[in-house]
Amino acid sequence: QVQLQESGPGLVKPSGTLSLTCAVSGGSISRGNWWSWVRQPPGKGLEWIGEIFHSGSTNYNPSLKSRVTISVEKSKNQFSLKLSSVTAADTAVYYCARYGLSGRGFDYWGQGTLVTVSS
Amino acid sequence: EIVLTQSPGSLSLSPGERATLSCRASQSISSSYLAWYQQKPGQAPRLLIYGASSRATGIPDRFSGSGSGTDFTLTISRLEPEDFAVYYCQQYGSSTLTFGGGTKVQIK
Repeated sequence: QVQLQESGPGLVKPSGTLSLTCAVSGGSISRGNWWSWVRQPPGKGLEWIGEIFHSGSTNYNPSLKSRVTISVEKSKNQFSLKLSSVTAADTAVYYCARYGLSGRGFDYWGQGTLVTVSS
Repeated sequence: EIVLTQSPGSLSLSPGERATLSCRASQSISSSYLAWYQQKPGQAPRLLIYGASSRATGIPDRFSGSGSGTDFTLTISRLEPEDFAVYYCQQYGSSTLTFGGGTKVQIK
C-alpha cells in the first residue's frame, strides 16, 4: 500500500519561502507515475500547484509558475516543493498526491499539512 | 487554462435520495482525464471516478459517472449517511490540471 507523508514548517514569514517534502513509502517514486502538490486554503477548494516525474520533468500551474520549484530525490524516494515570496494568500493545507497511471486520477494522497503565512 | 464549473454549489437532500452533480468544462476535454473526488472535513480527497465513468478501487456502485466533451455528471443513486461531503471534478490536459470549485452535498 502506497503511503505519502508531508513534512515541513507549519509557519512561514511573509516574503519567505515555503518548503515541504513528501516521503513516499510502499512503492517506488520511479515506477512511472507523476507526483503532484495540491493545496486548499481554509474553507476553499482545491488548487493544483504542479507535478514532477522521476526523471525530473515538471509541469506547473501557470498562475504559480514564477514562484514554484518542485524537485525529486529518487535515492530517498521523496519529492519536494518550494514556493517563494509567500503572502497570507498562500496559507493553506498542502497535500502531496500520486497521479495514477494512464490518467487514473489522484489515487493516493498524503494527509495534508497546514502551512500558515504570518509574521 | 480549462476552467471547470460545478453546479449546483450546494445540494440539500435526504438519505436514500438521488444526487446529480454537474461539471462543465470551458472547452472540450478528453474523457480519459476527467475524475471525481469526495472530500470530508479534515480529510484528504478520495478518488471516486476516473476516465469519466470508471469507479476507483473499493468505490460502491451507487456512485456513477458519465459525460463527454464539456459536460460531465456524477450521480449517487441512493445517498447513504456517509456520502454527505464535498465533491470535486478534475481534468488533466496539455500538461496542466484543474479542479472544479466543488459541490457540497448536505443533509436536508
